[in-house]
Amino acid sequence: AQKVTQAQTEISVVEKEDVTLDCVYETRDTTYYLFWYKQPPSGELVFLIRRNSFDEQNEISGRYSWNFQKSTSSFNFTITASQVVDSAVYFCALSEGRGSTLGRLYFGRGTQLTVWP
Amino acid sequence: DTGVSQNPRHKITKRGQNVTFRCDPISEHNRLYWYRQTLGQGPEFLTYFQNEAQLEKSRLLSDRFSAERPKGSFSTLEIQRTEQGDSAMYLCASSFTGGNEKLFFGSGTQLSVL
Repeated sequence: AQKVTQAQTEISVVEKEDVTLDCVYETRDTTYYLFWYKQPPSGELVFLIRRNSFDEQNEISGRYSWNFQKSTSSFNFTITASQVVDSAVYFCALSEGRGSTLGRLYFGRGTQLTVWP
Repeated sequence: DTGVSQNPRHKITKRGQNVTFRCDPISEHNRLYWYRQTLGQGPEFLTYFQNEAQLEKSRLLSDRFSAERPKGSFSTLEIQRTEQGDSAMYLCASSFTGGNEKLFFGSGTQLSVL
């Protein structure tokens, strides 16, 4: 069973639009970590955010914001006022807690975001 | 450049040949990971080293795959008797103890098996 589901395969928006990328996860652990990574065409995965399961506060970093809701097992990512440079594949990932290898991430299949000028 | 470095960037080989990839992690990072990514999928965990010790291997890592990190610095991933199903991007990542599982990824080695 997929531990991380990103239902949106592709999203296209026009520059300056807001866009939300969905992520639903599944785990039995009470301690776990959630991540978002960006993969531009160059291929290198770029870390965006890490959130632990005990911290449900939403976070904002510039044009990026994240909405973590344990009740729905979701960790959604919103880009405000999108720009062409935001075009990339975005991955949500889960790292399970005690007894698991730190850094063993379970990735979703990714969402290809295309921002048109 | 002080990021994670992977060589080669691309490798084309014929089925049945052996290939070896190299990863140079960020110098102070003691943890090193190999992941594999196929087209349209997210990366999948293959194996993990802490210093020179290989501590975990995924079931995806068949007997034809072997990874080493001889001095706790760079790592190599060898695939013997390659098959077409081995075609993928092989990603290396590193982190350090206390780094909150924040992985720094290299740009990967794209393997094509003909």
